[in-house]
Amino acid sequence: QKEVEQDPGPLSVPEGAIVSLNCTYSNSAFQYFMWYRQYSRKGPELLMYTYSSGNKEDGRFTAQVDKSSKYISLFIRDSQPSDSATYLCAIQAGNQFYFGTGTSLTVIP
Amino acid sequence: GAGVSQTPSNKVTEKGKYVELRCDPISGHTALYWYRQSLGQGPEFLIYFQGTGAADDSGLPNDRFFAVRPEGSVSTLKIQRTERGDSAVYLCASSISGSRRETQYFGPGTRLLVL
Repeated sequence: QKEVEQDPGPLSVPEGAIVSLNCTYSNSAFQYFMWYRQYSRKGPELLMYTYSSGNKEDGRFTAQVDKSSKYISLFIRDSQPSDSATYLCAIQAGNQFYFGTGTSLTVIP
Repeated sequence: GAGVSQTPSNKVTEKGKYVELRCDPISGHTALYWYRQSLGQGPEFLIYFQGTGAADDSGLPNDRFFAVRPEGSVSTLKIQRTERGDSAVYLCASSISGSRRETQYFGPGTRLLVL
């Protein structure tokens, strides 16, 4: 079983929609969770970092962690065409980072 | 300031050849990470440096892969006897000290194609 699983999509939504991206993880000991955005032919860029259950909000982005279900989510409100990218969830365990496969998102104007 | 840079941006080589990939981290960052990202996959951890030493090399797939960071800044990932399965994007990232909750800053990657 992989440490983190993510639906690869692709996901296509109209501009202004609310987007929900999700991952599940295998080890209940994991404590540090991240969401990255990766544009084509670029390196990943950190969007959100959270280390506890509950919600963390930053502008149009909300990261949610449910440790009881081992489920992490990223919500994007009022999605924009510039949000079109691949979104990767990641978990930090010691010195290592485990990434999901990424979900490809397209926001249609 | 300057971000993480990687050279070359693209590398095409033949099966069996040796390649070196270079990473210039953000100045002052002591922690440096190498990842491999295959098509349609997330980055896969290879090795982590703290200063000059490899603090965790458990992600290196086999002994054909080796990485160095002799002066605690620039790092080189070396692949011997390349195989077609080594074709991927090799990403480098750095952070200030490698502590938890620190942001990792990624470079644009080197796209390696082994023919």
